[in-house]
Amino acid sequence: QVQLQESGPGLVKPSETLSLTCNVSGGSMSYYHWSWLRQPPGKGLEWIGYMYSSGNTNYNPSLRSRVTISVDTSKNQVSLKLNSVTAADTAIYYCARAYSGSYWHYLDYWGQGALVTVSS
Amino acid sequence: DIQMTQSPSSLSASVGDKVTITCRASQSISTYLNWYQQKPGKAPKVVIFNVSSLQSGVPSRFSGSGSGTDFTLTIRGLQPEDFATYFCQQSYSAPYNFGPGTQVEI
Repeated sequence: QVQLQESGPGLVKPSETLSLTCNVSGGSMSYYHWSWLRQPPGKGLEWIGYMYSSGNTNYNPSLRSRVTISVDTSKNQVSLKLNSVTAADTAIYYCARAYSGSYWHYLDYWGQGALVTVSS
Repeated sequence: DIQMTQSPSSLSASVGDKVTITCRASQSISTYLNWYQQKPGKAPKVVIFNVSSLQSGVPSRFSGSGSGTDFTLTIRGLQPEDFATYFCQQSYSAPYNFGPGTQVEI
């Protein structure tokens, strides 16, 4: 059974960099799009982006200038870095695996989420 | 960007009811439409992908339909564990936006 687990600081100061790690267990990291999403408490879901196992990335244009997603297959980890954060970046951050086929691309496994608060 | 809308934003239903949630995309998204269920304090879980494909382990009372820009999630014979918020998502063109959600309440 594939499991994803996010970890990282729960509090980040404004203008600093948010860094989260997602540990993946129970399955191969190859041939999947490793994704990050976020959800401000009580609000909707925002897709941040993904890195394919080959190294290709695709980011939300609204965050592209500030975000980096990386995959370390040797450690079974996916990382998220978001720099120059503000209070608007306060959210639950989810790591998820996306499975793609000829006519589909969907998030089939999710971590439990990590709440990150941006505050001084 | 492709914008996603959902209706209604919330609905009240009873166990055993048939529930229909609609999702509209601002442009055609082919078959790249997914539905997720989210319960309070939990991560979302996919129920339907590719418009109408039932994710493994999801009960057959869930079904999806639609094409182009208009899509529907139907739950036939609502069960207590189905009370949750449902989001549609397009994965045709990045950013892969979600709809605002539909809360299904008792």
